[in-house]
Amino acid sequence: SQTIHQWPATLVQPVGSPLSLECTVEGTSNPNLYWYRQAAGRGLQLLFYSVGIGQISSEVPQNLSASRPQDRQFILSSKKLLLSDSGFYLCAWSMGFRDEKLFFGSGTQLSVL
Amino acid sequence: DAKTTQPNSMESNEEEPVHLPCNHSTISGTDYIHWYRQLPSQGPEYVIHGLTSNVNNRMASLAIAEDRKSSTLILHRATLRDAAVYYCILRETGANNLFFGTGTRLTVIP
Repeated sequence: SQTIHQWPATLVQPVGSPLSLECTVEGTSNPNLYWYRQAAGRGLQLLFYSVGIGQISSEVPQNLSASRPQDRQFILSSKKLLLSDSGFYLCAWSMGFRDEKLFFGSGTQLSVL
Repeated sequence: DAKTTQPNSMESNEEEPVHLPCNHSTISGTDYIHWYRQLPSQGPEYVIHGLTSNVNNRMASLAIAEDRKSSTLILHRATLRDAAVYYCILRETGANNLFFGTGTRLTVIP
């Protein structure tokens, strides 16, 4: 069966510090991978998605970046965090488009202070 | 992106059926209707999806209007564990993502 791992669960970082969140998927090959962010009391905002190694599409311009160094690994990074980067970050995967389901990780609660 | 409209919140008594509405008047012919739910401090969880016909699974039923401009998620017997935010989402043809709005916060009253 397929599983998705996302870590850490919580993170507190000072403004201006770097960020690296990692997500891995097991039990499947060539998944579509996604990073979403949810601000407190808000809906989910798609940040990045990837359909293959090295292929990253950005939905919202910001000081975050994403990379996919391996087929089942998706990394969200920032060189310098802003206060507005605080939120609940979710990684997800799917096997295709249209009617395919999204499977989400357990999320990372990031607080930038 | 085709958008959906849902009530911000709803309440239901435990063990009663719940009908969660969703309007999607700009839906195109090949958009799938997806429902997800999110429990506190967790990632969203897939509930059900459909295209034109009503759908049933072990979690819920999805009733889709004949003109496809609205749909209703039906929980047949609400339990306390069903308290969550429910998202109605359209998956566009060829789109690589799902657009999540703010959803409907369901409160289940014991």
